[in-house]
Amino acid sequence: EPEVTQTPSHQVTQMGQEVILRCVPISNHLYFYWYRQILGQKVEFLVSFYNNEISEKSEIFDDQFSVERPDGSNFTLKIRSTKLEDSAMYFCASSDGAGQGHFGPGTRLLVL
Amino acid sequence: AQKITQTQPGMFVQEKEAVTLDCTYDTSDPSYGLFWYKQPSSGEMIFLIYQGSYDQQNATEGRYSLNFQKARKSANLVISASQLGDSAMYFCAMREGRSDSSYKLIFGSGTRLLVRP
Repeated sequence: EPEVTQTPSHQVTQMGQEVILRCVPISNHLYFYWYRQILGQKVEFLVSFYNNEISEKSEIFDDQFSVERPDGSNFTLKIRSTKLEDSAMYFCASSDGAGQGHFGPGTRLLVL
Repeated sequence: AQKITQTQPGMFVQEKEAVTLDCTYDTSDPSYGLFWYKQPSSGEMIFLIYQGSYDQQNATEGRYSLNFQKARKSANLVISASQLGDSAMYFCAMREGRSDSSYKLIFGSGTRLLVRP
């Protein structure tokens, strides 16, 4: 069964550093998403991406965040200058437009 | 505003028994979708079951069934014959927005289920 993959599985970074989280969505999916889950809390929507542009973003997705689909397979989330409160699990998801989607396994980000 | 409420922060169940995890939602959209996910300690989000607002029958997937009561705005997950491997966090989620193609979800706060041997 096709699946969404994410790299790295874990990332430790210093406050103020830039991080790029990578995702490979399912190949025939056209809609891409990033979600965040701070430890012990609910999963929160960050951004959706379709047709090479952001279709919707949440209040959390401020100017320090950006997303990109640099080639035909990868979908990335960049955090320009990480803060302690960015420590969380970041999930990528993709869907085929029929309303069903798949989550990736997540990247656990720790900002020190 | 759309909202998902899971009132049970933690639940215990004896192995082989059935358990119901509660979920209520609030939306003004006539078309919506409801999802349940399992999150084990390893952290990944595992899709369990989906119910569309216009589906006539309650969704079932193996040992999982969704008790969908539209008038009450509830979408409880029933796990039959609990297994030790069912111990995990369970999240209810709703597709937000009018588009059935969207996978933008809002999540509840989750219920931690512990299955006792």
